[in-house]
Amino acid sequence: DIQMTQSPSSLSASVGDTVTITCRASQSIGDYLHWYHQKPGKAPKLLIYEASILQSGVPSRFSGSGYGTDFTLTISSLQPEDFGTYYCQQSYNTPFFGQGTRVGIK
Amino acid sequence: QVQLVQSGAEVKQPGASVKVSCKASGYTFRGYGISWVRQAPGQGLEWMGWISGYNGNTNSVEKFQGRVAMTIDTSASTAYLALGSLRRDDTAVYYCARSLAEAGPKSYLDYWGQGALVIVSS
Repeated sequence: DIQMTQSPSSLSASVGDTVTITCRASQSIGDYLHWYHQKPGKAPKLLIYEASILQSGVPSRFSGSGYGTDFTLTISSLQPEDFGTYYCQQSYNTPFFGQGTRVGIK
Repeated sequence: QVQLVQSGAEVKQPGASVKVSCKASGYTFRGYGISWVRQAPGQGLEWMGWISGYNGNTNSVEKFQGRVAMTIDTSASTAYLALGSLRRDDTAVYYCARSLAEAGPKSYLDYWGQGALVIVSS
């Protein structure tokens, strides 16, 4: 299995800050990397697929980059509704999620 | 609009079986697959398996093989996940999610059900 490691595991930031979350794959996965946001008690929501493509309806303050083993999710101008947990997922082979990054609002 | 509506919460005893349903609407059911993902309390997301909405072909993680059965009823646009020989560590929220047909199980998940809580307790 291809393991996915996210960092940091948690962070706190202020409204308006730029937040960066990284995801590293244990082997190259091309651009088969996707990002989700989950609020407590809710289902995850797809934000970005294939490393950099913004899902329809997702605000443009979210962006993704990377290829191979190292990937980044950036939230520019963090908003109060952006708190929650972010997960990366690889679909290069058997789908596997990262352990999550919890984002708290200062 | 695309919607996946799941069945309600269940409480089961260890050793029992549970069946969770996922009714799809707002798209052509046969044109996509359904993946199943679970989340234990306070934990992350765990992909369990996938079923084709076109022909019912399945793919599941090795750890669940022998205990899991994924099926579809295309006439009802509904997918089902059955998990047997339940253990306490199967307590989790079970989500269904839509995946691309052409990618099979190797897909991102663009729409999710609301989740079904399964509690395994004596």
